[in-house]
Amino acid sequence: SQELEQSPQSLIVQEGKNLTINCTSSKTLYGLYWYKQKYGEGLIFLMMLQKGGEEKSHEKITAKLDEKKQQSSLHITASQPSHAGIYLCGEVDSSYKLIFGSGTRLLVRP
Amino acid sequence: DSGVTQTPKHLITATGQRVTLRCSPRSGDLSVYWYQQSLDQGLQFLIQYYNGEERAKGNILERFSAQQFPDLHSELNLSSLELGDSALYFCASSVGGGGYGYTFGSGTRLTVV
Repeated sequence: SQELEQSPQSLIVQEGKNLTINCTSSKTLYGLYWYKQKYGEGLIFLMMLQKGGEEKSHEKITAKLDEKKQQSSLHITASQPSHAGIYLCGEVDSSYKLIFGSGTRLLVRP
Repeated sequence: DSGVTQTPKHLITATGQRVTLRCSPRSGDLSVYWYQQSLDQGLQFLIQYYNGEERAKGNILERFSAQQFPDLHSELNLSSLELGDSALYFCASSVGGGGYGYTFGSGTRLTVV
């Protein structure tokens, strides 16, 4: 079965710093989703990537799907406390359900 | 407000009891998905319904069951509760069954004592 691995598992950064979260699949990704979850709350859709090399941005968050479509990175520029939360990558499996990586917990220190 | 409504938001119950979690999908969405999120297991897919029929099943325990009603709302029933069932339970909905355009509810936090 397809698995998604996220790294790092957790991250603490100083406000204003840039950071990158990675999501790696054991197989080719045909659609990669990024969600953000505030601690103890629901998931908020950030963006979806489908094509190799595709890059999308949402405010100060940029995500890219590599050419081979087995890895995606999420980059936050000039982090703010509002960026804190859990970032999850997900992909649709062969049964058309969304499965998720284990998540990256981000804490931004003011 | 995402448009997906989950009730109740919080639930505290004793071991051995049975609870029902409810989810109303976003207007127009036919698919409903249930997920369990615990500290050590991450976000795990439980079950999917599409227009009233079960479409996909994950690692859902036999003590758990779900259904989707004609008005498309869904209920997740958890019985013979154990301490390990304490978790956040999320519902998501989408228009079709292909995984696009998932919208998540804010979840039900279940605490089993």
